[in-house]
Amino acid sequence: DAGVIQSPRHEVTEMGQEVTLRCKPISGHDYLFWYRQTMMRGLELLIYFNNNVPIDDSGMPEDRFSAKMPNASFSTLKIQPSEPRDSAVYFCASSFSGVNTDTQYFGPGTRLTVL
Amino acid sequence: AQSVTQLGSHVSVSEGALVLLRCNYSSSVPPYLFWYVQYPNQGLQLLLKYTSAATLVKGINGFEAEFKKSETSFHLTKPSAHMSDAAEYFCAVSAGGTSYGKLTFGQGTILTVHP
Repeated sequence: DAGVIQSPRHEVTEMGQEVTLRCKPISGHDYLFWYRQTMMRGLELLIYFNNNVPIDDSGMPEDRFSAKMPNASFSTLKIQPSEPRDSAVYFCASSFSGVNTDTQYFGPGTRLTVL
Repeated sequence: AQSVTQLGSHVSVSEGALVLLRCNYSSSVPPYLFWYVQYPNQGLQLLLKYTSAATLVKGINGFEAEFKKSETSFHLTKPSAHMSDAAEYFCAVSAGGTSYGKLTFGQGTILTVHP
């Protein structure tokens, strides 16, 4: 299996620009998670989906952030407009409820720098 | 609600010495517990997990953890540290119930191994 795939791996943008991060979960997994990691705040759960439906978006920082999962094999996290404080590493993870252990498999992350 | 406390944000050991990373959890239901490892510039990788089958869990790279219900602990150990073990380690607990699929992560412990 290819594992969780994220793109791009690195993104540098200017303040005010729109940023779109992409994630392809492991085939067959029915849960998808978006995390943000910074030195100051550690690992934060932003939002997660089950069967393409958002279950909990309480971690989304503000309205500038939005996430979609149009089908079982693709999800996006969009920031519009971006701000320097959004600079972080964003991880996508997926899991399969069938084994009933909540094990999450992480992608390599997207390092976002907002200038 | 579930929570995880990792005691010590930084642990430093000599190569060949015992590694002990501490994790205490709080859970209202029988928990699933996890240890993840994050190497520099990479995503989180599952090290081991406890799913109630056995209290002593063996993971990859010679690590193991023991579930102690009376102490609500799930400490991670390795008898002999190797330079390649230098990384950040995260303890996590599954939420269960209505938050099935969601993991609550600790703040992480950075392990440094010196010659």
